[in-house]
Amino acid sequence: AQKVTQAQTEISVVEKEDVTLDCVYETRDTTYYLFWYKQPPSGELVFLIRRNSFDEQNEISGRYSWNFQKSTSSFNFTITASQVVDSAVYFCALEETSGSRLTFGEGTQLTVNP
Amino acid sequence: DAGITQSPRHKVTETGTPVTLRCHQTENHRYMYWYRQDPGHGLRLIHYSYGVKDTDKGEVSDGYSVSRSKTEDFLLTLESATSSQTSVYFCAISDAGGIFTDTQYFGPGTRLTVL
Repeated sequence: AQKVTQAQTEISVVEKEDVTLDCVYETRDTTYYLFWYKQPPSGELVFLIRRNSFDEQNEISGRYSWNFQKSTSSFNFTITASQVVDSAVYFCALEETSGSRLTFGEGTQLTVNP
Repeated sequence: DAGITQSPRHKVTETGTPVTLRCHQTENHRYMYWYRQDPGHGLRLIHYSYGVKDTDKGEVSDGYSVSRSKTEDFLLTLESATSSQTSVYFCAISDAGGIFTDTQYFGPGTRLTVL
C-alpha cells in the first residue's frame, strides 16, 4: 500500500531563512506521481508541483525548489529566503498509476515569523 | 483557477440527519473526488468518480454515498450524520487518471459540524 510520511509536524523560522520540508514515500509501483500542495490560513488547497517517477531532475521555481531522490524515496521541498506569506500547511502527496487516488502526508505547518 | 464550487460552504447539523454536499465544476473534467480533512490525518479519499454514474470507494467510504448524474456535479451524502463525520470536506477534479494521471485541483471546501 502506498504511504506518505511528513515527519515534521511544525516548523518555525524567521523571515529570510531557508527551510526544507521533508517528504518520504512508499509505493510498490514503478510508475507514480508526486505532488506538493499548499494550504494557507484561508483554507484552500493550492497546487505547487507535480513530478513523475521517471524524472529525477531537481526543479526550481523562483524561491521554491524540489529535490526528488528515488534512491531514498524522498521528495523534499525547499523555500529559499522565506517570507511571512509562505506561512501555511504544506502537503506532500503520491498517486500511483495503478489507481486514481492521491495519498497525502499529514502535512507540515510552516510558520514564518517577521 | 479551476472552476470548482462547493455548496454549502458551512453547515451545522444534528446527529442522525441526512446531509448532502454538492460539488460543481465548469471544466468538463472526467474525474471527480471527495476527500475529508482531519487534524493528524491529512486528506483522505472518501469516494471518487471516473465518469457519469461511474463511482468507486476510497479509504474512508463507510457512512457515505455518492452520485454523479451529470459531468459537472458530484454529490456526497451522509445518510445519517454522526459526530465522527465532523470534518472539512474537499472536492477535487482532474482530467485523467491511471497511467494518464493528471493533477487534481481542489474546491474551496465545506466545513461540516455534526452536533
